[in-house]
Amino acid sequence: GENVEQHPSTLSVQEGDSAVIKCTYSDSASNYFPWYKQELGKGPQLIIDIRSNVGEKKDQRIAVTLNKTAKHFSLHITETQPEDSAVYFCAAWGTSYGKLTFGQGTILTVHP
Amino acid sequence: EAGVVQSPRYKIIEKKQPVAFWCNPISGHNTLYWYRQNLGQGPELLIRYENEEAVDDSQLPKDRFSAERLKGVDSTLKIQPAELGDSAVYLCASSHREGAEAFFGQGTRLTVV
Repeated sequence: GENVEQHPSTLSVQEGDSAVIKCTYSDSASNYFPWYKQELGKGPQLIIDIRSNVGEKKDQRIAVTLNKTAKHFSLHITETQPEDSAVYFCAAWGTSYGKLTFGQGTILTVHP
Repeated sequence: EAGVVQSPRYKIIEKKQPVAFWCNPISGHNTLYWYRQNLGQGPELLIRYENEEAVDDSQLPKDRFSAERLKGVDSTLKIQPAELGDSAVYLCASSHREGAEAFFGQGTRLTVV
């Protein structure tokens, strides 16, 4: 099955700085890569996703990049704000296994 | 548009007791997932439905867990009997179709004492 590794496990930044979270996956057949934000006591919220036919996608302060050859994808948050503080999960989906496999999560703390 | 609705939000039960969770997916979403999330970890799939058919239940501990999705809409997940190790957050998610964006509910936090 698919294996998704996520780094770092914790990330602390100052407000206004950028934050980058990286994930690697094992199954070359994976073709859909969403990112979720989970706040305390809530379910994961989809914030951005990318499919394997594109290398980069941007939505305001959030961007995701995908390197299919190296089998890794990254989340970039620019101009971070305290409300960005949460746990972020990457995930991978492929037709060969038909389910989302999640990384272990990154606890992002943005200090005012 | 209403999101995925789960109930209850919290449940505390004694070990060996039964418990059930309910999920109402987003209207029109054919695919429904139940995930379990242990503290400090990412969600792990328990079962996936396409309409009323369970197409992937390989990770569901079938000796004590059961699920159903009658009429291909609402779903229930049951544990009987519960064990201490079942304490976790149980998340329901739905998507329009397999491989499409999946949206999660708030989850049910289960504590087995």
